[in-house]
Amino acid sequence: AQRVTQPEKLLSVFKGAPVELKCNYSYSGSPELFWYVQYSRQRLQLLLRHISRESIKGFTADLNKGETSFHLKKPFAQEEDSAMYYCALTNAGGTSYGKLTFGQGTILTVHP
Amino acid sequence: KAGVTQTPRYLIKTRGQQVTLSCSPISGHRSVSWYQQTPGQGLQFLFEYFSETQRNKGNFPGRFSGRQFSNSRSEMNVSTLELGDSALYLCASSGLSGTYEQYFGPGTRLTVT
Repeated sequence: AQRVTQPEKLLSVFKGAPVELKCNYSYSGSPELFWYVQYSRQRLQLLLRHISRESIKGFTADLNKGETSFHLKKPFAQEEDSAMYYCALTNAGGTSYGKLTFGQGTILTVHP
Repeated sequence: KAGVTQTPRYLIKTRGQQVTLSCSPISGHRSVSWYQQTPGQGLQFLFEYFSETQRNKGNFPGRFSGRQFSNSRSEMNVSTLELGDSALYLCASSGLSGTYEQYFGPGTRLTVT
């Protein structure tokens, strides 16, 4: 069975401070990991995926297969980063056929 | 490109009734997935359709069903509604045969009284 755990339901930081949103997963196959974000009154949208190794809006995430983690990091948080963040997992082979397994989400609040 | 659209956006039904929700994917996308979002359970996968065929199904009772039309539009149906079916129902479309980037709709908020 595949499982995604986001241990922090709420995370508060001040503007300019570093932020790290934790994500741990359990999956016996070859995983593909994503971070999705939902800003206030907007739809859920993809922030980044591990295979692209991109930095989006200053966020990065590295897949650590040894620790089965995919933490999301940003060195200097901005107020506009305040949102709900979801970590999600699927089968990297593309055989999950549309199924993403989501964590419970972390609400990030960045204070001025 | 127009995004994923869902209709209706809000719905109130009574226990025991049935409901049909609709999802129009991004033009050219052939895969449509459905999710149920609740405060207690979070986002849970319901099922996925590709080229009018259900390829994957989550752990939901048979009261939850869906279908996809030749234009890739999809509907999901919930029969014999229960109070616990109150949730936000999201659909997402993808342009590839696998999961990869899913584009989500705004959701349909279903309230069962």
